[in-house]
Amino acid sequence: EPEVTQTPSHQVTQMGQEVILRCVPISNHLYFYWYRQILGQKVEFLVSFYNNEISEKSEIFDDQFSVERPDGSNFTLKIRSTKLEDSAMYFCASSTPTAGGNYYEQYFGPGTRLTVT
Amino acid sequence: GESVGLHLPTLSVQEGDNSIINCAYSNSASDYFIWYKQESGKGPQFIIDIRSNMDKRQGQRVTVLLNKTVKHLSLQIAATQPGDSAVYFCAVFSGGYQKVTFGTGTKLQVIP
Repeated sequence: EPEVTQTPSHQVTQMGQEVILRCVPISNHLYFYWYRQILGQKVEFLVSFYNNEISEKSEIFDDQFSVERPDGSNFTLKIRSTKLEDSAMYFCASSTPTAGGNYYEQYFGPGTRLTVT
Repeated sequence: GESVGLHLPTLSVQEGDNSIINCAYSNSASDYFIWYKQESGKGPQFIIDIRSNMDKRQGQRVTVLLNKTVKHLSLQIAATQPGDSAVYFCAVFSGGYQKVTFGTGTKLQVIP
């Protein structure tokens, strides 16, 4: 069964450093997403991406964040200057329109745990 | 381990019993809802969804009920099994299908 993959599984970085989290969505999917989950808290939407541009973003997704689909398979989340409060699990998801509806089931990757020290 | 921030409600059920997990939402314009299961160390996994033009939908051992009047939905798991132990949370879509708001989650513990 196709699945979303993410690398690395765990990233440790120092405050102020840039990090790039990588995702390979399911190959025929058209919509891509990033979410984060701070330990013990709920999953929070960050951004959705379609047709090579951001379609929605949350208040969390400020100028420190950017997303890119550099080629036909990867989808990346960059944090330019990490802060302690960026420590969280980051999930990538992808989806595609299903027949007969506007509702797109999102398939999540296993996540990357980002630890900012 | 200790949770930081929001306390996660826990539901403990005996193996074989039925489980009911609840979710409240605030936006009456919400029109699509998903229940996810999240096992430790994994990403959320789709369980079942429901559109706002329905009030009930059944899957394999799971049923979702939607009450738009009180902005409430529930997930019922029949004959709960140890493999059902996980965190369950609802996701609410509104005003476009690209952005979703997740509930805080309920930790289901199945007692063998």
